[in-house]
Amino acid sequence: RKEVEQDPGPFNVPEGATVAFNCTYSNSASQSFFWYRQDCRKEPKLLMSVYSSGNEDGRFTAQLNRASQYISLLIRDSKLSDSATYLCVVNFGSQGNLIFGKGTKLSVKP
Amino acid sequence: EAGVAQSPRYKIIEKRQSVAFWCNPISGHATLYWYQQILGQGPKLLIQFQNNGVVDDSQLPKDRFSAERLKGVDSTLKIQPAKLEDSAVYLCASSSLETPTYEQYFGPGTRLTVT
Repeated sequence: RKEVEQDPGPFNVPEGATVAFNCTYSNSASQSFFWYRQDCRKEPKLLMSVYSSGNEDGRFTAQLNRASQYISLLIRDSKLSDSATYLCVVNFGSQGNLIFGKGTKLSVKP
Repeated sequence: EAGVAQSPRYKIIEKRQSVAFWCNPISGHATLYWYQQILGQGPKLLIQFQNNGVVDDSQLPKDRFSAERLKGVDSTLKIQPAKLEDSAVYLCASSSLETPTYEQYFGPGTRLTVT
């Protein structure tokens, strides 16, 4: 079983749609959780952290369910500029190494 | 603030040749990472340095890959000899000891094609 699993997509949605991405992780000792965004042929950039209580940043909402080892990202009112690959990332161990999922590709169409 | 710098941006070599990549992290960042990202996959950590010491190199194929960060600032990653399966983007990232380790800042990467 892979350490971090994501639906690769692609998710093709119209502007204004709400879209949700899911991610599962295998290591129950995982400590921290994040979503990174990677534009085509660009480097990954931190989008947001994911907290057990859930957290929101504008149109983006992240949720964590430790019992189910499940992470989600919800994007409301999708914009063309949201088109990218969204990487689910898990951090475990004292050195803080990041384990990346394969990413979910989102394409927002006009 | 200048970001993470990497060079070259692109490299094409034949299998069994050697290649080296260079990375200069954000000024003041003590921790430096090298990742390999194969097309369609997420980045995979190859090696992590803190200052000039290796923290984790458990996923570095040491028979052909080597990396150094001699003065605790810039770093080089070398592949010798290269194999076809080494074709990937090699990303360098850095982070500060004063911020959570997840706040890693990535460079633009070096796209390696092995023919």
